[in-house]
Amino acid sequence: DTGVSQDPRHKITKRGQNVTFRCDPISEHNRLYWYRQTLGQGPEFLTYFQNEAQLEKSRLLSDRFSAERPKGSFSTLEIQRTEQGDSAMYLCASSSSLTPGYTFGSGTRLTVV
Amino acid sequence: LAKTTQPISMDSYEGQEVNITCSHNNIATNDYITWYQQFPSQGPRFIIQGYKTKVTNEVASLFIPADRKSSTLSLPRVSLSDTAVYYCLVGDRQAGTALIFGKGTTLSVSS
Repeated sequence: DTGVSQDPRHKITKRGQNVTFRCDPISEHNRLYWYRQTLGQGPEFLTYFQNEAQLEKSRLLSDRFSAERPKGSFSTLEIQRTEQGDSAMYLCASSSSLTPGYTFGSGTRLTVV
Repeated sequence: LAKTTQPISMDSYEGQEVNITCSHNNIATNDYITWYQQFPSQGPRFIIQGYKTKVTNEVASLFIPADRKSSTLSLPRVSLSDTAVYYCLVGDRQAGTALIFGKGTTLSVSS
């Protein structure tokens, strides 16, 4: 297993367009998290899955954001009608109760122009 | 809001030991303390996790006093490549509840 994989690494989109990011977690990990990070700030929690169930969602997450994790494997994060304020690094992490800590992917950097 | 407080920045020189202290006054009984390291344009990387007393691995040591209201990450003999942001977090490892990051401590190592 090569760790948490995120695709794409970079995405430039025009304001108003929809974008979708993919995260492939470590296969043995049943927990998956999405975070967003802007320059100079720590990662900001967006949402959390245990297997296929979305158990937690940040109140900061607007209705334009939606995440799925079908079959408890990979996950997708979709942003509809992107705004310039959505420009950030989107990080995915996975974990299990058997091992300490999260394993993060390298992130997807979104730029909305 | 993050459950932890840590210095915004620290400076050090190569070869020195660096200790970063984190305050977590409201830590819960089931919470573990975890530290991450982050380089620019990369995701955070797990460094070490502990519950009480002392934990040591190949890269760092974590000291936790009996009251668990603070913890200290110790990096022995830092090098330029240790320049990064270090985050201290507390959370229930078994429950899986999402960890909340603060702004972290930016460590700058000079030669």
